[in-house]
Amino acid sequence: AQTVTQSQPEMSVQEAETVTLSCTYDTSESNYYLFWYKQPPSRQMILVIRQEAYKQQNATENRFSVNFQKAAKSFSLKISDSQLGDTAMYFCAFMKLTLDRGSTLGRLYFGRGTQLTVWP
Amino acid sequence: GAVVSQHPSRVICKSGTSVKIECRSLDFQATTMFWYRQFPKQSLMLMATSNEGSKATYEQGVEKDKFLINHASLTLSTLTVTSAHPEDSSFYICSALTSGRAQYNEQFFGPGTRLTVL
Repeated sequence: AQTVTQSQPEMSVQEAETVTLSCTYDTSESNYYLFWYKQPPSRQMILVIRQEAYKQQNATENRFSVNFQKAAKSFSLKISDSQLGDTAMYFCAFMKLTLDRGSTLGRLYFGRGTQLTVWP
Repeated sequence: GAVVSQHPSRVICKSGTSVKIECRSLDFQATTMFWYRQFPKQSLMLMATSNEGSKATYEQGVEKDKFLINHASLTLSTLTVTSAHPEDSSFYICSALTSGRAQYNEQFFGPGTRLTVL
């Protein structure tokens, strides 16, 4: 079974500062995807960043970057130059790429989320 | 990017009635759609997975006779909450996965439906 753990229920950061959200996961798979999703107050799920497990290079999307440590099964999200609009719930998610009995390709396993507040 | 819509965005119903929620992929064909339930300040809980033209696969603990899912076409899946009760009040979110984008295996999420059962 796949599990995703986000150990920080809440985080806060001042505008323009940098913050890092933690995520660890447990899997026996060798090939998979990892995601960070953002859910603002509107509750629309928005993909922030994606990492393919076979890629050693950490993914980057503008102010968002990840620190992917495959051996440690760690996948943290760094937000640089935080903005007020970054205030949201952030979910780390795992997707396996192999089918086994009863599984579905593309299924996501979510962590419990980290509520990030950016204050002026 | 791919767009997924949900209708209605908000619904209030009386206890004992049934409510249907639609999930549509607007600019792509969705071979697989997922239905989630989310309680306040909690994570998304997968309820079921539906594949076009076949029966939905329900997660353990989800009553399939209570939450009817139909994925009749490649662009539409529906969730019907039958004989709704106040404990069914929640935020329901759908997502869609496309074969065309299978190499990326990305789920595209709808905006959600707030269900309140009185």
